[in-house]
Amino acid sequence: DQQVKQNSPSLSVQEGRISILNCDYTNSMFDYFLWYKKYPAEGPTFLISISSIKDKNEDGRFTVFLNKSAKHLSLHIVPSQPGDSAVYFCAASGGNQFYFGTGTSLTVIP
Amino acid sequence: DAGITQSPRHKVTETGTPVTLRCHQTENHRYMYWYRQDPGHGLRLIHYSYGVKDTDKGEVSDGYSVSRSKTEDFLLTLESATSSQTSVYFCAISESGLFAAGANVLTFGAGSRLTVL
Repeated sequence: DQQVKQNSPSLSVQEGRISILNCDYTNSMFDYFLWYKKYPAEGPTFLISISSIKDKNEDGRFTVFLNKSAKHLSLHIVPSQPGDSAVYFCAASGGNQFYFGTGTSLTVIP
Repeated sequence: DAGITQSPRHKVTETGTPVTLRCHQTENHRYMYWYRQDPGHGLRLIHYSYGVKDTDKGEVSDGYSVSRSKTEDFLLTLESATSSQTSVYFCAISESGLFAAGANVLTFGAGSRLTVL
């Protein structure tokens, strides 16, 4: 069973607009959530994280929101840039393991 | 890639042959992980290590073994490769396996693409 789910395999957004990537999880014991970005032929790179004791974390153009009651987190990118085109994975941590979603491929159209 | 080197980067092999993938780190991190990435499955943990000679299974460990004889090296072995093990394999490292403090994230290597014919 997939404990972390990204139900949108792909997303296209115009340059300058907001990109919203969503992620749902099933395990209420997860205490830390992260977003990773992956370009083709490269490994995933860490983007932003949030602790379960917070509901928002912001880093420049990237903001992650956490709704614990809904077991839902989202990543907002404002404004979106062509260089943001990549696959985005959300991940949740529990104990010594991370659990990853299946990824959302974001395309930012110039 | 922050001091993580995976080798080989690409390999094509035949069903039934043994394969070893190597991960080498220069960060002196305690934790090392092997993941596989497949369409529709995201990244799934195969095995991880929490110290020299200390390893444990992940969610998709069947058909794989690992060894860690030195802090810097973590080997993933497919004793007898099958077509279902065709995948992209990523090694990752972290300073600690305890993430409650929020200071530790996974740093990934560039990946090893394995094709089993």
